[in-house]
Amino acid sequence: NAGVTQTPKFQVLKTGQSMTLQCAQDMNHEYMSWYRQDPGMGLRLIHYSVGAGITDQGEVPNGYNVSRSTTEDFPLRLLSAAPSQTSVYFCASTPAEDYYGYTFGSGTRLTVV
Amino acid sequence: DQQVKQNSPSLSVQEGRISILNCDYTNSMFDYFLWYKKYPAEGPTFLISISSIKDKNEDGRFTVFLNKSAKHLSLHIVPSQPGDSAVYFCAVTFQGAQKLVFGQGTRLTINP
Repeated sequence: NAGVTQTPKFQVLKTGQSMTLQCAQDMNHEYMSWYRQDPGMGLRLIHYSVGAGITDQGEVPNGYNVSRSTTEDFPLRLLSAAPSQTSVYFCASTPAEDYYGYTFGSGTRLTVV
Repeated sequence: DQQVKQNSPSLSVQEGRISILNCDYTNSMFDYFLWYKKYPAEGPTFLISISSIKDKNEDGRFTVFLNKSAKHLSLHIVPSQPGDSAVYFCAVTFQGAQKLVFGQGTRLTINP
């Protein structure tokens, strides 16, 4: 049982480049979310999804796009990377009926130069 | 506007003593209150939670207290062990489990 899988684990981008952070879960969870972790800021919610075809914005959505075409996958797209997007990104998922069981991936460390 | 605040960036406790981590929140409509633990280079892992209708929940060495009138949440770890050294995040859910919002985290160090 793989849980939540994030790829890549590390990435360096140049300012203005685009990329997609991948997130996949094999637990048939309805809810999925993306967070970024920055020093002193905790984990901030970027976007979340309550099911295939349904997404919504979190606390810090600017500069990021998401889509949810399947239950398993929830990719995060950076359209034009900026140094302010240097961070560690975490994907998480939970069943709709579970009020505490968010399972997190191991993270993607992104550096924008 | 920070809805969940952990005002202590760090805490140092001697092994065997009690560790108390604190969290304040602003919205009385939150459904569940949770604590997550995070080691370096790993994702957060769920530790313990409490429903908004309760004021205490225990799980082994971990107890969470909820003071709704003060909008305050605390996590007690007793006795503290070296393996408890990590960053602890409090978090809240609303709109059911759809949104999970975190505090800034407190780095707990357990000294031998």
